[in-house]
Amino acid sequence: NAGVTQTPKFQVLKTGQSMTLQCAQDMNHEYMSWYRQDPGMGLRLIHYSVGAGITDQGEVPNGYNVSRSTTEDFPLRLLSAAPSQTSVYFCASSFGGGGNQPQHFGDGTRLSIL
Amino acid sequence: GENVEQHPSTLSVQEGDSAVIKCTYSDSASNYFPWYKQELGKGPQLIIDIRSNVGEKKDQRIAVTLNKTAKHFSLHITETQPEDSAVYFCAAGSARQLTFGSGTQLTVLP
Repeated sequence: NAGVTQTPKFQVLKTGQSMTLQCAQDMNHEYMSWYRQDPGMGLRLIHYSVGAGITDQGEVPNGYNVSRSTTEDFPLRLLSAAPSQTSVYFCASSFGGGGNQPQHFGDGTRLSIL
Repeated sequence: GENVEQHPSTLSVQEGDSAVIKCTYSDSASNYFPWYKQELGKGPQLIIDIRSNVGEKKDQRIAVTLNKTAKHFSLHITETQPEDSAVYFCAAGSARQLTFGSGTQLTVLP
């Protein structure tokens, strides 16, 4: 099993550009989520999904969109990138639950906005 | 919402010594308390977790304690080894979401 796979691993964007960060899991997990990691601030929840067709906002959702059309995939979209969105982005998945189940993380996408 | 405070932000210990990292949380609805280890360039990996109906849990050199009344929990690593050097995150979870602390950079000196 590959677990949680994130692509790309690195990306540089210009302010105003759009892009999609991909996340796929092969563990048939219902719950998937996106976090951003900034120095000294731990991981902050952006959006999460409890199953296909269902998404909800986390702590820092502004500037990001998500959709969940299949169990396996949970892409994160930046519609108009801003320098404040420079960060490392992690996707996670878990079997059932939400915040009270062990999370499996991908290895992250390092995003720089110039 | 939930707020998780983690201390210290950096910790250096001699190989073979013990390391302790402490966290506090604010929301009494939190009932799940995992600890993650993150190595450079990698995603966080779960190393141990504890639920609110348990006061202590141990797995080889790693142990976690939980004090629900005081709303704090701690990670204890005994007989530290160089490969324990990493960033450690605590978190507090409920049915809706998981909230992380700000992380502790642990360095084990040979």
